Amino acid sequence: EVQLLESGGGLGQPGDSLRLSCAASGLTFSSYVMTWVRQAPGKGLEWVSGISPSGGTTYYADSVRGRFTISRDNSKNTLYLQMNSLRVDDTAVYYCAKKMGSNWNLDYWGQGTLVTVSS
Amino acid sequence: QSALTQPRSVSGSPGQSVTISCTGTSSDVGDYNYVSWYQQHPGKAPKLMIYDVTKRPSGVPDRFSGSKSGNTASLTISGLQAEDEADYYCCSYAGSYTWLFGGGTKLTVL
Repeated sequence: EVQLLESGGGLGQPGDSLRLSCAASGLTFSSYVMTWVRQAPGKGLEWVSGISPSGGTTYYADSVRGRFTISRDNSKNTLYLQMNSLRVDDTAVYYCAKKMGSNWNLDYWGQGTLVTVSS
Repeated sequence: QSALTQPRSVSGSPGQSVTISCTGTSSDVGDYNYVSWYQQHPGKAPKLMIYDVTKRPSGVPDRFSGSKSGNTASLTISGLQAEDEADYYCCSYAGSYTWLFGGGTKLTVL
């Protein structure tokens, strides 16, 4: 069974940095595109970033480009999101999600980790 | 990267059918047959209900169906049940490892 488990969330101040992790099991992690999706309190889902299976290609939403960095360690079956220069509006539950094998849908999601940015 | 447009809320009585629309552009919904729908109960992670516009993952009841016409996709839930009450989000692939989500629709079962 595929499992994705996020960690690393917490409370930070504007300008702080946080690193999120997503540990994957039950799949050949190195074969899949992985993404981060966030959800601000009481709001909808927002795609944040995506990374190719090898880690060589990355993409970002305009709202986080230049501040967030997605990466992966296929030897550890782990996805990361380095978040720098945090803003109050980065407050959200952050989910990691896996792309389906041969088509461009997101099938498995983690349970999410809450990031709160407040002064 | 504008969000897809969904109605804020829909409602229906048990046994009835409801349809939720999702409008994008020719660069996302209209360009790709990779529209998916997610169900989210409070405090839970999104659950995939429909993918590739019309397909259901294993375990999803056939009361859930999807369709697309041009830049608008739709999710129809027939034979509404109390447990269907949740938030529903559409999602479309938009190219280059990017995805767009709708703003979400709250389904109330009366």
